[in-house]
Amino acid sequence: AQSVTQLDSQVPVFEEAPVELRCNYSSSVSVYLFWYVQYPNQGLQLLLKYLSGSTLVKGINGFEAEFNKSQTSFHLRKPSVHISDTAEYFCAAQTSGSRLTFGEGTQLTVNP
Amino acid sequence: DSGVTQTPKHLITATGQRVTLRCSPRSGDLSVYWYQQSLDQGLQFLIQYYNGEERAKGNILERFSAQQFPDLHSELNLSSLELGDSALYFCASSVGQGPENSPLHFGNGTRLTVT
Repeated sequence: AQSVTQLDSQVPVFEEAPVELRCNYSSSVSVYLFWYVQYPNQGLQLLLKYLSGSTLVKGINGFEAEFNKSQTSFHLRKPSVHISDTAEYFCAAQTSGSRLTFGEGTQLTVNP
Repeated sequence: DSGVTQTPKHLITATGQRVTLRCSPRSGDLSVYWYQQSLDQGLQFLIQYYNGEERAKGNILERFSAQQFPDLHSELNLSSLELGDSALYFCASSVGQGPENSPLHFGNGTRLTVT
């Protein structure tokens, strides 16, 4: 079974600053990785996913993530954040034949 | 709009009662998943159905049950409710079962409050 650890529960940043939300995973087999975003009072929305191929994955809203197999990481980055990016972000992992496993979530707060 | 519809949006009930949460998946999606989101336990997978059949079970209590009907909508039944069952319950759907068929499309959830 796979597991996901999000290293920061809260990340406060100022508007237009860069941000990195950290995610580590563990799995004994090939893993598929995802980032979801949850805005207040809404369900989760897929930001991006890594299934195979290029390790740098671009998603919606200017976010990108890099799959690093040697470090078992899948960190999410954005070069310049907006107030509207304030939300909870979830990293998730899945292997073939298993269910999607979510991390604990990281609350990103963008301050003016 | 994800295309996944959950009803009701809010539910307030007393301990010991029974409630039913309903989910209509996105058009064309055959898999339905139920998740529980609480402050202390995060997002916990409860159960998955694919085309009417149970396919995976997670941390679902024996007091809870679910089913997926021929029209593919799903219901989650929670009985003998306890205060600790208060949470946001999400339904998600996908075309198939595996990660190749992701992403999961989430509904906006049902917020259950047990008093």
